[in-house]
Amino acid sequence: NAGVMQNPRHLVRRRGQEARLRCSPMKGHSHVYWYRQLPEEGLKFMVYLQKENIIDESGMPKERFSAEFPKEGPSILRIQQVVRGDSAAYFCASSGDKAYEQYFGPGTRLTVT
Amino acid sequence: AQSVTQLDSQVPVFEEAPVELRCNYSSSVSVYLFWYVQYPNQGLQLLLKYLSGSTLVKGINGFEAEFNKSQTSFHLRKPSVHISDTAEYFCAVSAGGTSYGKLTFGQGTILTVHP
Repeated sequence: NAGVMQNPRHLVRRRGQEARLRCSPMKGHSHVYWYRQLPEEGLKFMVYLQKENIIDESGMPKERFSAEFPKEGPSILRIQQVVRGDSAAYFCASSGDKAYEQYFGPGTRLTVT
Repeated sequence: AQSVTQLDSQVPVFEEAPVELRCNYSSSVSVYLFWYVQYPNQGLQLLLKYLSGSTLVKGINGFEAEFNKSQTSFHLRKPSVHISDTAEYFCAVSAGGTSYGKLTFGQGTILTVHP
């Protein structure tokens, strides 16, 4: 029973490039959540998606960040024109109907040079 | 809005000693409470959760936590730790309403178990 999968595990981008982070939820889960962990900080909620819908994006920066969870395929977190401050670990979680029972992936560690 | 405070950023302890990791939360509504563990360069693993009912919750790896509504606390305990318990531990809260699905995390507590 595969868990939450994220790829790539490590991503290096130069300032100004685009970063695309992918998340495949656990089998049977239709809810996806993205969190960001900055160095020496806890995880901060970014966005909550269901298939083809954004439910809560209250934690998303207003510019350069977007997320989608299409009908088919993984959820994508997209960061345009990355800056050094975007360097962080990005975690995806998924759940079934109980949104508070979230299972986390291994994370993608983004480094912006 | 909810917030979570983990009172200790680092807790060193010797193997086989008991440990308590402290967590306080604030919320204007009823909440669900969680403890997660993160090993280096890995994702978060759920240790235990409080949803309702008995205030003493038992989780994996011998950990337990007690929900105290009057003190708004949810401290994590283990009577005898092992070297393998060395990791970072996060307390989290989830509320209903418009925050449903949004976990709010504390800053984390690094537990280091020494031989």
